[in-house]
Amino acid sequence: DAGVIQSPRHEVTEMGQEVTLRCKPISGHDYLFWYRQTMMRGLELLIYFNNNVPIDDSGMPEDRFSAKMPNASFSTLKIQPSEPRDSAVYFCASSLGGSLPYEQYFGPGTRLTVT
Amino acid sequence: QQQVKQSPQSLIVQKGGISIINCAYENTAFDYFPWYQQFPGKGPALLIAIRPDVSEKKEGRFTISFNKSAKQFSLHIMDSQPGDSATYFCAASKGQGGSEKLVFGKGMKLTVNP
Repeated sequence: DAGVIQSPRHEVTEMGQEVTLRCKPISGHDYLFWYRQTMMRGLELLIYFNNNVPIDDSGMPEDRFSAKMPNASFSTLKIQPSEPRDSAVYFCASSLGGSLPYEQYFGPGTRLTVT
Repeated sequence: QQQVKQSPQSLIVQKGGISIINCAYENTAFDYFPWYQQFPGKGPALLIAIRPDVSEKKEGRFTISFNKSAKQFSLHIMDSQPGDSATYFCAASKGQGGSEKLVFGKGMKLTVNP
């Protein structure tokens, strides 16, 4: 398997623009997680899905952020409008619920820079 | 509110030395404690994990020690190698860590000098 796939790997955009990050989880996994990593705040969970349904979005910073999972093989994280403070590395991870060792598999991340 | 506190923030050791990373948690409902390893430009990857029914788990050069009463757990890297240079995150979750959200510590950057 190719692992979790994220695109783009790097995104540079101007403040106010819409940004869409994409994720393809590992085939067969039923959980999908979106994380944000910054030096100041570390690794933060934004939202996670189970069987394409959002379970917990309490980590989504504000209404400018939205996430969807239209099917088992694709998810998006959208920021509209983007702000400089959104600059971070965004990771997508997937897992197979109930399966030892309960591992979350992370993608390579998308480095977002908002100028 | 930081539910998992990790220390130190960075560590430099010589090749062959022992690296020790500590974590403390607050929520007594946590029952799954993994450590993730992250190399530059990569996503974190599971290194080793422990459930609170045991006090220690060893996998090769990596050992987790768990102290339930103190709500602390630590990662020991024996015979540290330059290839171990990475950022290490402790984490905790309720229920099964693959299907429940993980709360991560802020990470510790380890540098192993040759």
